[in-house]
Amino acid sequence: AQTVTQSQPEMSVQEAETVTLSCTYDTSESDYYLFWYKQPPSRQMILVIRQEAYKQQNATENRFSVNFQKAAKSFSLKISDSQLGDAAMYFCAYRSDRTGANSKLTFGKGITLSVRP
Amino acid sequence: NAGVTQTPKFRILKIGQSMTLQCTQDMNHNYMYWYRQDPGMGLKLIYYSVGAGITDKGEVPNGYNVSRSTTEDFPLRLELAAPSQTSVYFCASRNLDWNYEQYFGPGTRLTVT
Repeated sequence: AQTVTQSQPEMSVQEAETVTLSCTYDTSESDYYLFWYKQPPSRQMILVIRQEAYKQQNATENRFSVNFQKAAKSFSLKISDSQLGDAAMYFCAYRSDRTGANSKLTFGKGITLSVRP
Repeated sequence: NAGVTQTPKFRILKIGQSMTLQCTQDMNHNYMYWYRQDPGMGLKLIYYSVGAGITDKGEVPNGYNVSRSTTEDFPLRLELAAPSQTSVYFCASRNLDWNYEQYFGPGTRLTVT
């Protein structure tokens, strides 16, 4: 079974600065997807960024980018130019690409990010 | 499109009571999922469905039942509520295409006392 670990329960960043959120995972599979989801106080789960394991290039979405290290099974999220609206809980998630896995997501415990004005 | 909608938003149940959490999606998605999120934790899969008439257990199915009679609806049934079922429940749906992601509903906060 796959596991996703987010070992930092909380992080804080100054507005306009850069912060990196860590995530590691364990799997025996070679084909999979990794995600970062944002959950603001409204509870709505919002997809931030996605990485396909077969792609060597790190995914980027505006101020959000990842550092995907497949051999190390590491998947960190970098938020540049942090904004007050980035304050939320962030979840790392894994999805198998194996037939029959039915695209179920396995989530880490999450990290609470606060942004200081 | 309304996306994924869930009702109710909040509910308080007494131990032993039953209730159904409703989930509807208007995107014609094949896959639908129910997750629960306990305080300070990530989401855990309760049940999922790959299409109308087909359901299967996830990681934490005990105490719950589901049905999928239509593509749009995927209700979650709690038969005998227990305090351990106090949680926030999320419904999600996804297109058959592997390139599409799960879309989440706004969640239902359930308290069992």
